Order: sequence, then C-alpha cells, then structure tokens
Amino acid sequence: AQSVSQHNHHVILSEAASLELGCNYSYGGTVNLFWYVQYPGQHLQLLLKYFSGDPLVKGIKGFEAEFIKSKFSFNLRKPSVQWSDTAEYFCAVNAGNTGKLIFGQGTTLQVKP
Amino acid sequence: ETGVTQTPRHLVMGMTNKKSLKCEQHLGHNAMYWYKQSAKKPLELMFVYNFKEQTENNSVPSRFSPECPNSSHLFLHLHTLQPEDSALYLCASSQDNQGDTEAFFGQGTRLTVV
Repeated sequence: AQSVSQHNHHVILSEAASLELGCNYSYGGTVNLFWYVQYPGQHLQLLLKYFSGDPLVKGIKGFEAEFIKSKFSFNLRKPSVQWSDTAEYFCAVNAGNTGKLIFGQGTTLQVKP
Repeated sequence: ETGVTQTPRHLVMGMTNKKSLKCEQHLGHNAMYWYKQSAKKPLELMFVYNFKEQTENNSVPSRFSPECPNSSHLFLHLHTLQPEDSALYLCASSQDNQGDTEAFFGQGTRLTVV
C-alpha cells in the first residue's frame, strides 16, 4: 500500500533558524508530490508541488523542496523561518496519476519570536 | 476564501441522528473529494467523485453516504454514527481526478458524535 512518512512530528525553532522537514513515500512508479500548510484556524493550502522537470521546486513564502527519486524523498526546506511560519505542514503524494492524495501525519512547526 | 465552502462548520449529533454535511465549490472543478482528519492520524481519503460519478470509495462504512448531484456540490449524509467518527471532515476539489492537479480544500466541518 502507498504510504507517506513524515519523520518530525513537532519541531520548535527560533526565528531565522533554517528548516528542513523530511518526507518519504513508498511507491515505485510515477508520483506527483505536494506540500500543504495549515495555519492556525485556516484551511489547508498548497505550499508547493512537483510534477516533473527540475527536482528542486520553489513555493510560496520562500519555501522549497527537493525531489530525490532514488531516496523516495521530498523534503521541505526554508533557509530562515519567521514567526508567521508557525503552522502544520503536510506532505502528500499522488501515486499512479490518480486523484488520490495520500497524506503524511503532518509536522507541527512552532517558531519562537 | 478558498473557493470551497463547507457547512456547517461545527456539528454535534447523537448516535441515532441523521445529518448531512454540505460542500460547494466555485472553481469550476470537475472532481470533488471527502477526507477525514482525526487527531494524530493522517488525512484519510474517503470518497472521490469525477463529473458527478463516484470513482473511489476507500472502504468507508455505509453509515457515511456521499451524494454528488452536480460537479459543484457534494454532500456527506451521516446516520447511526459512532463516537469514533468524531473528526474534522474536509471537502476538496480539483480540476479533474488526475494526479497532476492541485486540490483546494474547504475549512472543514468539525463533527462530534455523542
């Protein structure tokens, strides 16, 4: 069965620290990869996505993610976090070009001012 | 505002009640989805509809009954639920049900079964 694993469940950082959230998936075929973010009290919204091409993708608010096919990974990074980045982050995979998004458990990021 | 509107935002129901969740999208999308978000668990896909036809039922118990009268509206009819069904139910839509399209989510209905 397809699955998505996010290694960090709760991350606490100070402002200006660098961020990397891990995401691994299990599926051997074609995948489309997503990171969604849920700010407190708000809906899930897309942060960035990878369908094909350059494996380093850039999203909104200075976030980027790198698809490493050999490692089945799609880690999220940001060089310098801000207090406003406090949110829950979800990695998701759409495997086999279907409409089914498989989500990881989510990582809660708390940024201290 | 996401373009996907869910009502009600909060719902408390008894185990013998019948209620319905409503989702409406204003994005001109053809695919709609129901997800369940429980505490400390990943979002679980429940149902997928594409052009009003159900294309996915992820082994959801029959006490959850979806309805998609048109591409803009999606309902989830609830009856004889259990306390463990308490969760946040999210509706989403996308241009189609292929993999390379972004899903837009509503704010969810927080359901409590008592």
